[in-house]
Amino acid sequence: DTAVSQTPKYLVTQMGNDKSIKCEQNLGHDTMYWYKQDSKKFLKIMFSYNNKELIINETVPNRFSPKSPDKAHLNLHINSLELGDSAVYFCASSLHPTSGGSGANVLTFGAGSRLTVL
Amino acid sequence: QKEVEQDPGPLSVPEGAIVSLNCTYSNSAFQYFMWYRQYSRKGPELLMYTYSSGNKEDGRFTAQVDKSSKYISLFIRDSQPSDSATYLCAHAGTYKYIFGTGTRLKVLA
Repeated sequence: DTAVSQTPKYLVTQMGNDKSIKCEQNLGHDTMYWYKQDSKKFLKIMFSYNNKELIINETVPNRFSPKSPDKAHLNLHINSLELGDSAVYFCASSLHPTSGGSGANVLTFGAGSRLTVL
Repeated sequence: QKEVEQDPGPLSVPEGAIVSLNCTYSNSAFQYFMWYRQYSRKGPELLMYTYSSGNKEDGRFTAQVDKSSKYISLFIRDSQPSDSATYLCAHAGTYKYIFGTGTRLKVLA
């Protein structure tokens, strides 16, 4: 039973197109994230949502628009795709937005969506 | 300077070797540190986390944090070919996790 599931797993598209990636978690977590992993494996935060509300937008171009219809879902829509958008996009979730007195607040990742822009 | 730095490797070791993976970080405000393991074409999975300074052991894995020198280490004893993966260190920030660039490890049979 997959905890964090993303679709599609692979996306190949032309420059200028628009695409969406969907994410769902069944862990009952409050917080969801989008991370981008480049070809050198560097994982960079893009967005954080807590209970459907945006809490972090890490200076991502506004061609990227996340949407959280409820706290179990976080989708990512990308307009006017560029070559530099080619990467693996990971959705993740955590119980809370921060770690604190109750202990570490660990991230659970999905399997990733590999986007290739031609 | 990146907030969390790792040597990207690749690091190749023979089976059975003790592996030492290291990170340095710049922001001393955060208390929780994690190690994630990522197999090729998979998502990262949590291996261990530690709080503040000190050691934590789990089977063949030991995580160590030295806050005075801002250094995080992961030791793998009796390394196995199945340990071949990319290892990412991270610290838990406010509403986000800051990752290092990852170290690619190959354990040769």
